[in-house]
Amino acid sequence: EIVLTQSPGTLSMSPGERATLSCRASQSVTSSYVAWYQLKPGQAPRLLIHGASTRATGIPDRFSGSGFGTDFTLTISRLEPEDFAVYYCQHYGSSPRFTFGPGTKVDIK
Amino acid sequence: EVQLVESGGDLVQPGGSLRLSCAGSGFTFSSYEMNWVRQAPGKGLEWVSYISGSAKTIYYADSVRGRFTMSRDNAKNSLYLHMNSLRAEDTAVYYCAREYSYGYQKNYYYYMDVWGKGTTVTVSS
Repeated sequence: EIVLTQSPGTLSMSPGERATLSCRASQSVTSSYVAWYQLKPGQAPRLLIHGASTRATGIPDRFSGSGFGTDFTLTISRLEPEDFAVYYCQHYGSSPRFTFGPGTKVDIK
Repeated sequence: EVQLVESGGDLVQPGGSLRLSCAGSGFTFSSYEMNWVRQAPGKGLEWVSYISGSAKTIYYADSVRGRFTMSRDNAKNSLYLHMNSLRAEDTAVYYCAREYSYGYQKNYYYYMDVWGKGTTVTVSS
């Protein structure tokens, strides 16, 4: 089973700053199986990135994804007030079907 | 508008049962594979179960196998999660999510592109 770790656990940032979130897999994975989601309390989770680097429909271009092998990154180029949330990386596998990282909380400094 | 709406969450005693529902709209429900994902208080996301469009294939996480049963009624655009022998550790917000997959240039992509807002299950005496 692939285990995903995310760092840092919490990122304290100011609006306008650049945020870099890391997701590391316990072994090399297929990039097309990696996605990123945004969660806010009381809201439906939102798909941001799939295939490690493809923005989902309607996602602003300040969000970008990159990486391959075991290391993947979600970058938010200029934080907007609505971007303060928790972010999860995800891997598609055989069993379990989907695995998530523990999440990175981006909060306001 | 493509939408998923969960319902059925409640407070239930340990050992009890509950049925969650998820209503889909704005898309051809039967054409999509579906999943349940949960988030326990203060924890991250955990995949729970999967069902194919025809309901012929169903998978479960080890933590719920033998206690939870996933099903769907495509005529009603609805998804269900029957939960038995509930434990305190099943306390969570349960989300239904549409799975999207495609192949492109020898690569295959799998992710969940539409989610509901969730329904809360609390297992406590």
